[in-house]
Amino acid sequence: DAGITQSPRHKVTETGTPVTLRCHQTENHRYMYWYRQDPGHGLRLIHYSYGVKDTDKGEVSDGYSVSRSKTEDFLLTLESATSSQTSVYFCAISESSGMGYAKNIQYFGAGTRLSVL
Amino acid sequence: SQKIEQNSEALNIQEGKTATLTCNYTNYSPAYLQWYRQDPGRGPVFLLLIRENEKEKRKERLKVTFDTTLKQSLFHITASQPADSATYLCALMVQTGANNLFFGTGTRLTVIP
Repeated sequence: DAGITQSPRHKVTETGTPVTLRCHQTENHRYMYWYRQDPGHGLRLIHYSYGVKDTDKGEVSDGYSVSRSKTEDFLLTLESATSSQTSVYFCAISESSGMGYAKNIQYFGAGTRLSVL
Repeated sequence: SQKIEQNSEALNIQEGKTATLTCNYTNYSPAYLQWYRQDPGRGPVFLLLIRENEKEKRKERLKVTFDTTLKQSLFHITASQPADSATYLCALMVQTGANNLFFGTGTRLTVIP
């Protein structure tokens, strides 16, 4: 999985509790992304980062926050988990922006399966 | 509203035949269209990328076409093998500052021996 580690791989939590998912990369890529994948919806972008401390919202950002204090780590936090946040979460990285071919390929981690009861 | 539709949720095909998967989109102006493969319990893996000004791209047994007039991409796997069984995702990248991808829901391909 291209030097991307997601932790934990599985988590079960209760409604209302905070949850933090971690994505760690060893590729020194500038861009990092958090997606969720749900049946019937495909992959949807939650937040992304274009550098240390530089983040922006994606399509489904409500209820989520992110932080990136180092190039290699991108954290996704659910401040107060809800059952609608039960999903599989994927982290992805890409080299940089721009119109070069290789720069636009995203590499994905193995995913975190989160269940909110 | 913006939509990316992949022709069917599941496609079964006999080994050795050509599998053809379809990706249609509306209300996007993609700079690139990409295809990814996803195996159960794994993250997507990049296969091919085609630019808006390219008609066709090939890689080994894979071929992608891109018709911006029809707003459609076709993904072909020739001489299909059981190991090609997976879910295939199309993804559009629009020309913005970030490399944001918009994904279809995927087609689950099963190649029957």
